[in-house]
Amino acid sequence: DAGVTQSPTHLIKTRGQHVTLRCSPISGHKSVSWYQQVLGQGPQFIFQYYEKEERGRGNFPDRFSARQFPNYSSELNVNALLLGDSALYLCASSLEGEGIDTQYFGPGTRLTVL
Amino acid sequence: ILNVEQSPQSLHVQEGDSTNFTCSFPSSNFYALHWYRWETAKSPEALFVMTLNGDEKKKGRISATLNTKEGYSYLYIKGSQPEDSATYLCASSNTGNQFYFGTGTSLTVIP
Repeated sequence: DAGVTQSPTHLIKTRGQHVTLRCSPISGHKSVSWYQQVLGQGPQFIFQYYEKEERGRGNFPDRFSARQFPNYSSELNVNALLLGDSALYLCASSLEGEGIDTQYFGPGTRLTVL
Repeated sequence: ILNVEQSPQSLHVQEGDSTNFTCSFPSSNFYALHWYRWETAKSPEALFVMTLNGDEKKKGRISATLNTKEGYSYLYIKGSQPEDSATYLCASSNTGNQFYFGTGTSLTVIP
């Protein structure tokens, strides 16, 4: 069974541009969460989606948005990129996204903003 | 937002040594605690999830304990091997399954 997949692997953008990151969950998982990891810090929670509905949002500006599709895949969008958005973006999937569900992580997308 | 802290930030041990590190989390409204191992260029790998005070989990040479009253968990590695070199992350999660991670402990095992 394939694990969580993310695309692209790496991305270079310039300030002010927009970026879309993609995530495919493990087959059968209905919940997807997004995390941002900057150097020296742990992953920071951005969004959680379940059955196409936003279930939770971390402390990130409105430039960050996401959505989940009927096949449970997800996109993370970031508008008006800033240098500080340079980070590893991780996607994780879980069965129901509640209780003590384990989250399974993808390898991440490394975003560099110049 | 749950404030999770890990110590030490990094650790170098000799092959064969046993080691342990700490994860601290808010004890009020505790729900679950997760440990992950993250090797360079790979995805974080789930090790344990623990919920009850006094829980102990074991996977091979790695074990973890949980104290929810005082808000800490220990991860132990017995007889460290070079392949144990990784960053070990802990996360506290709420009933909505939202995870709040610490900054991780980077372990290097020297052959």
